[in-house]
Amino acid sequence: GAGVSQTPSNKVTEKGKYVELRCDPISGHTALYWYRQSLGQGPEFLIYFQGTGAADDSGLPNDRFFAVRPEGSVSTLKIQRTERGDSAVYLCASSLKGDTDTQYFGPGTRLTVL
Amino acid sequence: AQSVTQLGSHVSVSEGALVLLRCNYSSSVPPYLFWYVQYPNQGLQLLLKYTSAATLVKGINGFEAEFKKSETSFHLTKPSAHMSDAAEYFCAVSEKTGGYNKLIFGAGTRLAVHP
Repeated sequence: GAGVSQTPSNKVTEKGKYVELRCDPISGHTALYWYRQSLGQGPEFLIYFQGTGAADDSGLPNDRFFAVRPEGSVSTLKIQRTERGDSAVYLCASSLKGDTDTQYFGPGTRLTVL
Repeated sequence: AQSVTQLGSHVSVSEGALVLLRCNYSSSVPPYLFWYVQYPNQGLQLLLKYTSAATLVKGINGFEAEFKKSETSFHLTKPSAHMSDAAEYFCAVSEKTGGYNKLIFGAGTRLAVHP
């Protein structure tokens, strides 16, 4: 079946602009995670959704970052007033539930802020 | 808080040689541990996971890892490297709170396989 998909695959924007990154999880997966991977580093947790609600947003770096999952499926990560330090690969993962269920990762969106 | 240390950001082996990628973790509770592989321009793929069952865990593509509590280690091995194993490998520990799986990743080890 289809895996986790993310769009766009690449996004180039200018400092100060607003961007939206989209994640389509595997159908039926209730748990959805966002991670950020900076160059040369491992992914870092940003936010976790169980259904429609953000159960843990402790990894969001500041209030410029926001994510939604209004119908419990597709999720959008929104970044306001982008800064050059936001440049990274943003990864989305989904799992059937939470707990020890395997997280399946999408290919990521590479965000470049000029 | 949990953390992961991967020793060696780059490892190079000959085709057919043993692969050993090191991972040490820090956790105040019994951990869940994972190895993921990332091929260029692709998402992370789970190789194997330890969730407190058998300490020797077998994964895909001939990889395995052994959980050693006394050494707080979870090293990844493969007896014979193949050219297709060239990729970046990430070890992760689960900060399991509230019934979900917040993964804490190491910095990664890039494996090169040469003929």
